[in-house]
Amino acid sequence: TQLLEQSPQFLSIQEGENLTVYCNSSSVFSSLQWYRQEPGEGPVLLVTVVTGGEVKKLKRLTFQFGDARKDSSLHITAAQPGDTGLYLCAGAHGGSEKLVFGKGTKLTVNP
Amino acid sequence: KAGVTQTPRYLIKTRGQQVTLSCSPISGHRSVSWYQQTPGQGLQFLFEYFSETQRNKGNFPGRFSGRQFSNSRSEMNVSTLELGDSALYLCASSLLAGEYNEQFFGPGTRLTVL
Repeated sequence: TQLLEQSPQFLSIQEGENLTVYCNSSSVFSSLQWYRQEPGEGPVLLVTVVTGGEVKKLKRLTFQFGDARKDSSLHITAAQPGDTGLYLCAGAHGGSEKLVFGKGTKLTVNP
Repeated sequence: KAGVTQTPRYLIKTRGQQVTLSCSPISGHRSVSWYQQTPGQGLQFLFEYFSETQRNKGNFPGRFSGRQFSNSRSEMNVSTLELGDSALYLCASSLLAGEYNEQFFGPGTRLTVL
């Protein structure tokens, strides 16, 4: 059962464009994390959101947690080739529970 | 502080063989989780160890097993390898049973089964 649905699966854009990727679920999560993975490497944690409606910014990246804590979005402003990678969301139901990962959005930013 | 290390980085085996992968967590981290990543299924949780005890387990057959040592280092073993076991195996550590279970991943072991 895929509990976290990410969309789109693939995204190819030009440098300078804006984009949004989504992470949706029917389950409520106590926290939601976003990771970025580059080819041949493990995922790297970008941010954790824990409060419904929370918005966090990391330079050109803006993360939002839905009010009901069932969904999240990642918005990138003025994308750069260095943003290329696989973006993964992961939900936790509690500190001692396993993380549930979405299948990811593969982003390619062309120069 | 050194990150999570995994050895070996690449491995080629044949069907029916067994394999052992190793993971050293970040110093001070007591929880180690293992994941299998494939293009079709994405990241799938295998199991988690905390203080040498398996705390959570995913939906994988018994051919997949693991353990954790007193220094928090962990190994996973796959017996009777199948072609479908070809994947990137990722190990992740976290500080403790914290509220958010934030994972710090190693670079992975790329296993190819021929």
